Amino acid sequence: DAKTTQPNSMESNEEEPVHLPCNHSTISGTDYIHWYRQLPSQGPEYVIHGLTSNVNNRMASLAIAEDRKSSTLILHRATLRDAAVYYCIPPGPEVGADGLTFGKGTHLIIQP
Amino acid sequence: DAGITQSPRYKITETGRQVTLMCHQTWSHSYMFWYRQDLGHGLRLIYYSAAADITDKGEVPDGYVVSRSKTENFPLTLESATRSQTSVYFCASSEAGASYNEQFFGPGTRLTVL
Repeated sequence: DAKTTQPNSMESNEEEPVHLPCNHSTISGTDYIHWYRQLPSQGPEYVIHGLTSNVNNRMASLAIAEDRKSSTLILHRATLRDAAVYYCIPPGPEVGADGLTFGKGTHLIIQP
Repeated sequence: DAGITQSPRYKITETGRQVTLMCHQTWSHSYMFWYRQDLGHGLRLIYYSAAADITDKGEVPDGYVVSRSKTENFPLTLESATRSQTSVYFCASSEAGASYNEQFFGPGTRLTVL
């Protein structure tokens, strides 16, 4: 089973970088690591995903450990709009081949 | 409108009644999904569909029925609603399986079963 461990909550200041950690020690070699976020009263939205190497897009960067047992989502310059619950999701066989397994995620608080 | 929509956005019903939640996407995505989110918890997969006329169970399928006669629609039916099915329901779609592709989520339907 691919389980994840994330801190329940983190706090950061506006315009500062944020590093959101995730442990996924049981991940298999072919599981992509996905990150989604959920703003208050909205559906989740995709942030980024990767397999082995670090990934960048317009929203964030994803740093994946060499052993793939952990990853870090990096928001380079947090804004108030980034306040959300962030979910680290490795797809796993226990929820069907094509579903996403959401844990409780990390509640990110951004202070102005 | 382009995107993925859900209706109704809010629904109150009584125990034992049948309720159908609608989901419509305009991208012609092959895959569609239904999740539920209970207060203070992450999302749990109810059912998913890889294509029209193909559906499969997720983590919590009991008490729910789905169908997919058209690619763009994926209705979720609670045949006899129970209080434990009070939740926020999210529909999602993706071009292919979630393992490799971004899922796009709808705005959710907040269902209350009295």
